[in-house]
Amino acid sequence: AQKVTQAQTEISVVEKEDVTLDCVYETRDTTYYLFWYKQPPSGELVFLIRRNSFDEQNEISGRYSWNFQKSTSSFNFTITASQVVDSAVYFCALSGPDNTDKLIFGTGTRLQVFP
Amino acid sequence: DTAVSQTPKYLVTQMGNDKSIKCEQNLGHDTMYWYKQDSKKFLKIMFSYNNKELIINETVPNRFSPKSPDKAHLNLHINSLELGDSAVYFCASSLSLGQFRYEQYFGPGTRLTVT
Repeated sequence: AQKVTQAQTEISVVEKEDVTLDCVYETRDTTYYLFWYKQPPSGELVFLIRRNSFDEQNEISGRYSWNFQKSTSSFNFTITASQVVDSAVYFCALSGPDNTDKLIFGTGTRLQVFP
Repeated sequence: DTAVSQTPKYLVTQMGNDKSIKCEQNLGHDTMYWYKQDSKKFLKIMFSYNNKELIINETVPNRFSPKSPDKAHLNLHINSLELGDSAVYFCASSLSLGQFRYEQYFGPGTRLTVT
C-alpha cells in the first residue's frame, strides 16, 4: 500500500530563516511520482514540483529546493530565507505509474512565517 | 485565464437537499478528478474520469454521482445531503500519457456547508 508521512504538523519560523519540510513515502512500485503542493490561507492548491523515481537529482527553484533520496524514501522540501508569503500548508503526494493510481496526499505541514 | 474553475465557491444548504458543483478546465487535459478536503485538511480522492470514462471510484456513498459531459467538464451531484458532507471539494485536471504521470492542477475549491 502507498503511504505518505509528513510528521511535522506545524512549523513556525521567523522571516529569513531556512526551513525544511519532511516527507517520507512508502510504495512497492518501482516507478512512482512525487509531488509537492502549497495551500495558502486563500485555500487554493498550487502545484510546486513533480519528481519521478528515476530522477534523483535535487532541484532548486529560486528559494525553494527539493532533496529526493530513494535510500531513505524521502522527498524533503527546503525554503531558504523564508518570507511571510511562504505561510501555507504544504502537502507532499505520491502516485504510482498508472492512470488508475490515486494521488496519495500526506497530512500536510502548516508553515507559519512571522515577520 | 482561469485554468480550472469551479462553481459555486460557497454552498450553504440544509440536510436532505440535493446540490451540484460544476467544474471546467481549459487546459486541454484529458483526466479530471474530484477530491474532498475535510476540516483537518486531509485530502482524499473521490472520483477520476479519463476522456469521459470513470477510472477511479473510491468508497464514496452512492449519494455522490459524478458526470462528465465532455473532457473539459466534470460535475458532482450530491443527493440527500448530510452534515458529514460538509467539506471543501476540489476539482482537478491533468494530462495522462501512458505511464508518465503529470501533475494535477486544482480548482479554487467549493466550500460546502450542510446545516
